Amino acid sequence: GESVGLHLPTLSVQEGDNSIINCAYSNSASDYFIWYKQESGKGPQFIIDIRSNMDKRQGQRVTVLLNKTVKHLSLQIAATQPGDSAVYFCAEKRAYKYIFGTGTRLKVLA
Amino acid sequence: KAGVTQTPRYLIKTRGQQVTLSCSPISGHRSVSWYQQTPGQGLQFLFEYFSETQRNKGNFPGRFSGRQFSNSRSEMNVSTLELGDSALYLCASSLGDSLNNSPLHFGNGTRLTVT
Repeated sequence: GESVGLHLPTLSVQEGDNSIINCAYSNSASDYFIWYKQESGKGPQFIIDIRSNMDKRQGQRVTVLLNKTVKHLSLQIAATQPGDSAVYFCAEKRAYKYIFGTGTRLKVLA
Repeated sequence: KAGVTQTPRYLIKTRGQQVTLSCSPISGHRSVSWYQQTPGQGLQFLFEYFSETQRNKGNFPGRFSGRQFSNSRSEMNVSTLELGDSALYLCASSLGDSLNNSPLHFGNGTRLTVT
């Protein structure tokens, strides 16, 4: 994740543990949310999305939780693996526009 | 299915020059958006095209322009390059236009360095 910020918050997790990455979004009118993973030298990769009429959505090893009351989004990764090391950021959609968070760097410790 | 393809991967230009970046969306995707990514500003929206029409534009100067062709391929152009234009330029395609909630799928970007 070379290009999303020099001083990103970092989450260090032991391999095999669960990871939780958080995101606060800004606008209660946002109706669609996406989590992306960005590895060094690559573009953001879609992980999972959720619409505002849902609270939870599960994918393969990932779960996204949406709390509209406090405008909070989280990404849970089960059984974190070395290949999960990357920068993760959320995106909220408001009308036509996507607003991206600054990202969290996930480091997986062997 | 092939992903979003951006060319070239790297570019080095000098101030005052102009540059054209190219993007081929995922087959069947008609919406193409462009973003600028820098360490300080993160991902900033440049513009969105759908069916050869610019639908939306971000807060960038007129030096930044783009277009979309009938096969959905898109190009963006930056004229009179400035040092501050150095960034990773990302193209994303999606199935529907920006009013639909379908995810953006990004290419690996073009790394532009202006000296």
